[in-house]
Amino acid sequence: TQLLEQSPQFLSIQEGENLTVYCNSSSVFSSLQWYRQEPGEGPVLLVTVVTGGEVKKLKRLTFQFGDARKDSSLHITAAQPGDTGLYLCAGGVTGNNRKLIWGLGTSLAVNP
Amino acid sequence: GAGVSQSPSNKVTEKGKDVELRCDPISGHTALYWYRQSLGQGLEFLIYFQGNSAPDKSGLPSDRFSAERTGGSVSTLTIQRTQQEDSAVYLCASSLGVGGYQETQYFGPGTRLLVL
Repeated sequence: TQLLEQSPQFLSIQEGENLTVYCNSSSVFSSLQWYRQEPGEGPVLLVTVVTGGEVKKLKRLTFQFGDARKDSSLHITAAQPGDTGLYLCAGGVTGNNRKLIWGLGTSLAVNP
Repeated sequence: GAGVSQSPSNKVTEKGKDVELRCDPISGHTALYWYRQSLGQGLEFLIYFQGNSAPDKSGLPSDRFSAERTGGSVSTLTIQRTQQEDSAVYLCASSLGVGGYQETQYFGPGTRLLVL
C-alpha cells in the first residue's frame, strides 16, 4: 500500500518567517502534486513536479521533488497571513494517471 | 458554470436514511472523481469516472455506497442506510480526462454530511 506522510501536521508561525513542509514515502511516484485548501472549499492545485530532482518556484513558494521521486518539500519564504491553509501533497500512481495518493496535510497558520 | 459545483452544500440526516449527493463538473471534463475527507483522515479516493463508466471504484467503502454518471456530465453519489461513520465532507473533482499524465483535478466546495 502506498502512503504519503506529511510533516509537520500543524504549524503556527509569525508573519515574515520561513517554513518548510515535508512529504515522504517509501514508494516511488510518477508525479507529486501540492494543493492548498481553505476552510469550506476544495483543494486547489499549486504545482505538479514530475522529474526527480525537479525544483519549481511559485513566487515565495519553492517546491522540490526528491531525486528518487519518493519525497517532496514545500518551502515558503517570508510567510504572509494569506498563506494560511491546509497544504496537501498527492502522489501520482505509476501506471494509473487518474489515481492520486494523498497525504493527511499540514495545517499552517500565519499570524500577523 | 465556471467551476465544479456540488449540492447540497450541507446535509444532516438520521442514521438509516439514504442520501444523494450531486456533482456538476466543469463543462468538457470527461474525468470525474469522488473523494471523502474526514478530520484527521485526509482525502480518501472513492470512485473515478471516465465518461459514464467507472474504471476504478476500488475506494467505495461498502456496498451501501454507489455512484452513477449520466450524459458524461452530472454525477450522483448515493449512500444507503447511512451510518454515523459516514459523516464527512464529500468532495467531487473533474479533469480533462485526455492526458496520459497526471492531470490537474479541479475540486468543488464539497458536501458536508452529518449523520445523527
